[in-house]
Amino acid sequence: DAGITQSPRHKVTETGTPVTLRCHQTENHRYMYWYRQDPGHGLRLIHYSYGVKDTDKGEVSDGYSVSRSKTEDFLLTLESATSSQTSVYFCAISDRDGNTEAFFGQGTRLTVV
Amino acid sequence: QKEVEQDPGPLSVPEGAIVSLNCTYSNSAFQYFMWYRQYSRKGPELLMYTYSSGNKEDGRFTAQVDKSSKYISLFIRDSQPSDSATYLCAMSLTYNQGGKLIFGQGTELSVKP
Repeated sequence: DAGITQSPRHKVTETGTPVTLRCHQTENHRYMYWYRQDPGHGLRLIHYSYGVKDTDKGEVSDGYSVSRSKTEDFLLTLESATSSQTSVYFCAISDRDGNTEAFFGQGTRLTVV
Repeated sequence: QKEVEQDPGPLSVPEGAIVSLNCTYSNSAFQYFMWYRQYSRKGPELLMYTYSSGNKEDGRFTAQVDKSSKYISLFIRDSQPSDSATYLCAMSLTYNQGGKLIFGQGTELSVKP
């Protein structure tokens, strides 16, 4: 899995609570991404990072924030979880501009009740 | 309309069959085309990657891109039960997009012994 660890792997949380998902990499890759996967939608980009403290929004960023204070860690925060954020969340990393091979983590299954 | 359309299946074939998986897309600016394979409850892994129009072969797998028709295909020859997975097409706009990808919905493939 290209040295990517997502935590937690499973989480059940209540509507309105904040939730933070962690992605940790040991590859020293510059780029990190958060995707969500839902039936009928494939994977959709939430946020991505192109360096420490450098982040940008993806296609479905509303309700999510990210932080990257170290090369190896990329955090995804659901500020106030809603049932529509029930999904499987994948972290991905890639090395440099032009390297279109993105390596994905194992995923975090989040249920908001 | 989604930027990338992919028939979700499920697709069931007998062992040894030739499998054809397809995606259409609407954005003519896409330059890089990828196929990812995803086993149940795992992260996607890159299977094939092509740039612009043409064919690329890797063992039993052949990827085709027809930019004039905005259509890409993945062919699997001599399919095996171990090929049973969800196949996702993905595309990126430019050389510098790394893991910033637009995915199709994924096609679930089952190869029966």
